[in-house]
Amino acid sequence: EVQLVESGGGLVQPGGSLRVSCAASGFNFSSYKMTWVRQAPGKGLEWVSYISSSADTIYYADSVKGRFTVSRDNAKNSLYLQMHSLTAEDTAVYYCARDKGLRAYSGSSCFDYWGQGTQVTVSS
Amino acid sequence: DIVMTQSPDSLSVSLGERATINCKSSQSILYSSNNKNYLAWYQQKPGQPPNLLIYWASTRQSGVPDRFSGSGSGTDFTLTISSLQAEDVAIYYCQHYYGTPPWTFGQGTKVEIK
Repeated sequence: EVQLVESGGGLVQPGGSLRVSCAASGFNFSSYKMTWVRQAPGKGLEWVSYISSSADTIYYADSVKGRFTVSRDNAKNSLYLQMHSLTAEDTAVYYCARDKGLRAYSGSSCFDYWGQGTQVTVSS
Repeated sequence: DIVMTQSPDSLSVSLGERATINCKSSQSILYSSNNKNYLAWYQQKPGQPPNLLIYWASTRQSGVPDRFSGSGSGTDFTLTISSLQAEDVAIYYCQHYYGTPPWTFGQGTKVEIK
């Protein structure tokens, strides 16, 4: 059974940093592109970051570029999102999601498995 | 960036009736080399992560009931629930995965029971 379990969320002060993680199981993690999507309270879905299966291609939304860093450890079946210079606008549930793999080469497709999400709250 | 705009923002439908949600992209998301539309639909119930319903604009994800169908091409797309069930109350999102990022979502459409 495919499982994605996020962790590491919490309350952080404006300007602070936080790293959220996503533990994957039930599939060959190293073969899949992965994505982070966030959802602010009462709002819609926002694509945040993409990482290819071998981490050689990485993309970010403009809203997080230069502040967030996505990485993965295929040996540990884990995905990470390091977040710096956090503001109230980063308050959201952060989901990791598995790419369905519809695009043979570079780039994302849609997301067939999602974690339950981890809440990140930026507040003083 | 490609902007995805859904309509309506919300709709109320009687049980057993048809629900129709529209999604419009700011530019074509039809890739001419493979004639595929790079569009997906998701369902999100309260307190849950999104669930993939449709990809390639009209291909149903495994396990999705056949009352859900997707159609459209180019810039205009539709998600149809042919006979609304109580468990279909949710917010529905379209998402494009065409070209380079950002791979944006529509703002969502809330479906309720009338």
